[in-house]
Amino acid sequence: AQKVTQAQTEISVVEKEDVTLDCVYETRDTTYYLFWYKQPPSGELVFLIRRNSFDEQNEISGRYSWNFQKSTSSFNFTITASQVVDSAVYFCALSDIEDAGGTSYGKLTFGQGTILTVHP
Amino acid sequence: DVKVTQSSRYLVKRTGEKVFLECVQDMDHENMFWYRQDPGLGLRLIYFSYDVKMKEKGDIPEGYSVSREKKERFSLILESASTNQTSMYLCASSLMGQLIYGYTFGSGTRLTVV
Repeated sequence: AQKVTQAQTEISVVEKEDVTLDCVYETRDTTYYLFWYKQPPSGELVFLIRRNSFDEQNEISGRYSWNFQKSTSSFNFTITASQVVDSAVYFCALSDIEDAGGTSYGKLTFGQGTILTVHP
Repeated sequence: DVKVTQSSRYLVKRTGEKVFLECVQDMDHENMFWYRQDPGLGLRLIYFSYDVKMKEKGDIPEGYSVSREKKERFSLILESASTNQTSMYLCASSLMGQLIYGYTFGSGTRLTVV
């Protein structure tokens, strides 16, 4: 069975601080996807990034960066110079790979979520 | 702009009532999903559907059923609502073979059963 653990329930920082959200996963699959989603107070989950299990290259997008380490089954998310608008719940998720034969449909398994509060 | 629309943002129902949560997507996606979100538990999959009239149980299907009569609409049914079904319900859809874009989620329905 797949499992995603976000050990940090809540994080509180002051604006402009850097913050890292941890994500550890378990899966028996050799090929899989990892995701990060943001849920602002409006409630709708917003897709941030997807990584393939065979691509361990780290990624940077503006103030966001992701560190994928297959050896430790971790996919951590760092926000540099945090802003008040970054306040949200952040979810890490794991998916099996879709199978055209119909045995897999890319179901997402989510972590518990981390509530990030950025104070002005 | 692609959209997943959930019919109600807030809903209050009585114990024992039959409850319908509706979800409509306008992206011609094959896959649709219902999750419930609870503090400390994240999102848990209730049911999903990969085609019209097709459905599969997720991790916590007990007390729920679903209906997908049209491609764009996926309904979650609580046959007899109970207080432990008070939760945030999120609908999502995805295009088969295009998981690179992840899911598109609706804004959620916050259901309170009293």
